[in-house]
Amino acid sequence: GDSVTQMEGPVTLSEEAFLTINCTYTATGYPSLFWYVQYPGEGLQLLLKATKADDKGSNKGFEATYRKETTSFHLEKGSVQVSDSAVYFCALNSGGGADGLTFGKGTHLIIQP
Amino acid sequence: EPEVTQTPSHQVTQMGQEVILRCVPISNHLYFYWYRQILGQKVEFLVSFYNNEISEKSEIFDDQFSVERPDGSNFTLKIRSTKLEDSAMYFCASSERDRQTLGYTFGSGTRLTVV
Repeated sequence: GDSVTQMEGPVTLSEEAFLTINCTYTATGYPSLFWYVQYPGEGLQLLLKATKADDKGSNKGFEATYRKETTSFHLEKGSVQVSDSAVYFCALNSGGGADGLTFGKGTHLIIQP
Repeated sequence: EPEVTQTPSHQVTQMGQEVILRCVPISNHLYFYWYRQILGQKVEFLVSFYNNEISEKSEIFDDQFSVERPDGSNFTLKIRSTKLEDSAMYFCASSERDRQTLGYTFGSGTRLTVV
């Protein structure tokens, strides 16, 4: 079945550091890939998405590129802020009519001033 | 920006009781979903609903659970005879038909505590 694997957290960085959160997947078909963010006490918010190989999703300074050859969708940001502290979830929809999302376990990011 | 609204934000119930979690999806969306997140674990798909019937459900969604769209706006998840292990955050989501391209919109969740 489909699965998403994310790097374990928590990940602690200083403000203005470079961020990478790794995400790899296993899926049948041609999945769409998503990153969701969950700020403390809030729900899941769509951060960015990519629907086909080599697509790059971007939003709020975050980027992720859909790499079919390595089945990866790593999240990056060049300079993180304290306000980026949250839990980040990588997810996929495997397509072919599948309805739901398969999520990774989430990566807790802590940015220190 | 349109939102998915969930009520209540927190519900405490005694083991064995029935609970109903409520959601108002985005008005022009066609697909509705429930997900569950047990504390410290990943978000898990429970069920999807389209055209007034269940479209897809996971192994978690057994006879204890049911969903309903009682009117044109609400979408509910009923959990019968709750167990301690049902304690989790429950998220409602909705999407347009082309969910692979347009994505899903989630509500803020209902934290269910079974005591």
